[in-house]
This record gives sequence, C-alpha cells and structure tokens, in this order.
Amino acid sequence: EVQLVESGGGLVRPGGSLRLSCEGSGFTFSNYNMQWVRQAPGKGLEWVSFISGKSSSIYYAESVKGRFTISRDNANNSLYLQMSRLRDEDSAVYYCGRVAVAGIDPWGQGTLVIVSS
Amino acid sequence: DIQMTQSPSSVSAPVGDRVTITCRASQGISTWLAWYQQKPGKAPKLLIYAASNLQSGVPSRFSGSGSGTDFALTISSLQPEDSATYYCHQASSFPHSFGQGTKVEVK
Repeated sequence: EVQLVESGGGLVRPGGSLRLSCEGSGFTFSNYNMQWVRQAPGKGLEWVSFISGKSSSIYYAESVKGRFTISRDNANNSLYLQMSRLRDEDSAVYYCGRVAVAGIDPWGQGTLVIVSS
Repeated sequence: DIQMTQSPSSVSAPVGDRVTITCRASQGISTWLAWYQQKPGKAPKLLIYAASNLQSGVPSRFSGSGSGTDFALTISSLQPEDSATYYCHQASSFPHSFGQGTKVEVK
C-alpha cells in the first residue's frame, strides 16, 4: 500500500523554527516528485513547495520563499520541510503529497503547526 | 501566477441530483488540472487527474471535463457520501494553485 506519514508538527512561537518530515512507503520514493500543501484552520488548500525526485528542481510559494526549505533523503524515503521565521499566518495543517499526472496522490494524513505566543 | 476561480462556493441538492462545479483558470493550462474531495478532518483525495481522467477506485458518477481555461466536475447522481468540499488544482506552472473550494451538501 502506498502511504505517506507526516510528523514534526507542534506549537512554536512566532519567529521560531520547526522541521516537518514525511516518510513514504509502498513505492520507489526516488522516482517521484513530491510536494507540500497547507490548510489553515477553516480555510482552503494552499500550495507550498515542490521538489523533484533527484532534488534538481525546487519551487516555493511566494508566501514562504526565503523562510522555508524543502529537501529529501531518498535513501531513507523521506521528505522534509524546514520552516524558519515562522509567523502566525503559517499556522495550518501541513500535508505532503506524491506528485501524480496533473495531480497529487496520495496525500499524507497531515501534521498541525500552530504558531502562537 | 495563475488564479483559479471555482463556483459555486456551496451547493445543496437532494440525493440523485446532478451537480456541476466549475473552475476557471486566469490563463490557459491545457489539461493540467486535478479535482479533489475533502471530508472534515481528512486529507484531500484525488478524484480526477489531467482534467478528465477518473482516478482508480473513484465511483463512475464523478466525471471531469474541459481544457484551456474552463473546467467542470460533475456528479451525475448525488449520493449521501458525496457530502464534502471539492477543490480544483492547476499543475501547469509554478506556483501551483487551488480553487477556493465548493462545499456540497446532500439534502
């Protein structure tokens, strides 16, 4: 079964840092591009970042550029999102997802990040 | 950046009705469009990819159409389990973007 499991969310103060992880299983992780998408409480989906299978292409939403860093470790089937200089508006459930043909499938279960003093 | 405009923002219909949700891109995206279903407290689920291709395991009452800037998701015969929020997603160019969502209520 293809599965993605996120971890690393929690409560952090404004200006702080957090590192999210996403572990894939049931597929050849290095063959797939991966993405992060977030959803603020009660709001819609917001695309965050993309990384290609060999990490040669990386893209960010303007709202996180310069503060977030996406990376991956194919040897350990893991995707990461290093978040720094966190703001209140970064509070959201963060989902990792495997890039499919013009879509994301599957999605992880999500990990909640709360930025608050 | 490409903006995705979804309509309506919400719809309520009885079991068995046909429901159509539309999504308009601010510029042409060919068929680089996906549709997702999200239920409360759950991750989104891919329904349609590349505008009109049904994801494996998704009931055939769901269908997608369109290309360029105008797209539609149709539920041919609404079922109680279809109560959810639906999102479109353009994967044509970065930054990717989502529609604002359509909440579907089954009466």
